[in-house]
Amino acid sequence: DQQVKQNSPSLSVQEGRISILNCDYTNSMFDYFLWYKKYPAEGPTFLISISSIKDKNEDGRFTVFLNKSAKHLSLHIVPSQPGDSAVYFCAAPTSSGTYKYIFGTGTRLKVLA
Amino acid sequence: KAGVTQTPRYLIKTRGQQVTLSCSPISGHRSVSWYQQTPGQGLQFLFEYFSETQRNKGNFPGRFSGRQFSNSRSEMNVSTLELGDSALYLCASSQNGNTEQYFGPGTRLTVT
Repeated sequence: DQQVKQNSPSLSVQEGRISILNCDYTNSMFDYFLWYKKYPAEGPTFLISISSIKDKNEDGRFTVFLNKSAKHLSLHIVPSQPGDSAVYFCAAPTSSGTYKYIFGTGTRLKVLA
Repeated sequence: KAGVTQTPRYLIKTRGQQVTLSCSPISGHRSVSWYQQTPGQGLQFLFEYFSETQRNKGNFPGRFSGRQFSNSRSEMNVSTLELGDSALYLCASSQNGNTEQYFGPGTRLTVT
């Protein structure tokens, strides 16, 4: 039972354009979400998070949107840069106060110069 | 501040053997989680330790075990290795387990 889903395994975007990575979840109890970026041969690095009390969180070129009614979140990268080429994972802790994070399967973003 | 370190970075073992992987968290972090990453499966949660106690465990067989020491360093052990155990094993630390986690570079285990 995959509670966090990233249905697009890959995405290609031209440099300077917007990249939109999507994530769906099934558990309405999730109240905190995170995005991680992973380069080959490195561990994932934390990118941005959002609490369920918000519908948007912005950090520089990265913005995460949360649609609780649709159980959907998205990561927008504007403008996209070649250095953004990586695998992006969304994640959620299984419920408040627990320490088990559920990760999606990842979306590989390729930004074309 | 030094990041999360994992040793060894690469490992090749034979079916039936056992293996121990090590993780040193960021200084001051007391929570350590372990994940298995395989192609197409994303990161699968193995277990989480805090102050030497396992607080949560994923859906892995008992061949997978771990422990945490008083200095927060953690080890995971896999006994009776199977071919399907070939994966990237990632360790992540956080201050208390319910905030963003910081990952190490991982240990690439190959079972032949």
